[in-house]
Amino acid sequence: EDKVVQSPLSLVVHEGDTVTLNCSYEVTNFRSLLWYKQEKKAPTFLFMLTSSGIEKKSGRLSSILDKKELSSILNITATQTGDSAIYLCAVGGGYQKVTFGTGTKLQVIP
Amino acid sequence: EPEVTQTPSHQVTQMGQEVILRCVPISNHLYFYWYRQILGQKVEFLVSFYNNEISEKSEIFDDQFSVERPDGSNFTLKIRSTKLEDSAMYFCASRVLLQETQYFGPGTRLLVL
Repeated sequence: EDKVVQSPLSLVVHEGDTVTLNCSYEVTNFRSLLWYKQEKKAPTFLFMLTSSGIEKKSGRLSSILDKKELSSILNITATQTGDSAIYLCAVGGGYQKVTFGTGTKLQVIP
Repeated sequence: EPEVTQTPSHQVTQMGQEVILRCVPISNHLYFYWYRQILGQKVEFLVSFYNNEISEKSEIFDDQFSVERPDGSNFTLKIRSTKLEDSAMYFCASRVLLQETQYFGPGTRLLVL
């Protein structure tokens, strides 16, 4: 059975801190790893990773995939209160199936 | 910017009733998905749909569920005889042919009483 595990489950930090969120996976026929941010409702896309070792960046967020370790990290630098959300890691495996982790709930306090 | 839309945003139904959840994927997208998220739990894959047929489905997607693309724009999820445990947020997502990134709709919150 495909599995995606995220850690930590939740995290409280102060504005300006840097955080690292972890995702590890075991899936059949890995296709890609995606990070999403979920605030009130629908997940919104952050990054898609398919190749090991290539960092993707968007502003203060960055992510990298390690296919040897079957894992990925999402970094957020200089956190802001608007970064408070649940961060979801999802892995595409099999033919079309996508398996989500339980998410990391990040709370950034002023 | 094009978006996936879903209707209704909320639906309350009685156990045993049929419900149809509707989605309009982004217009040039070719792969369509349904997910559900039970309150406080993780997002779970239900089914993927391409070229007018199911391409993959999960163990959750049993005979009570069906999907259809009745016309060129809508993508529907039907639950034939709802159970209490079907209460969840149902998300539709779509993507283009050669990219893995899926774009999610705002969801339909289904409550089965």
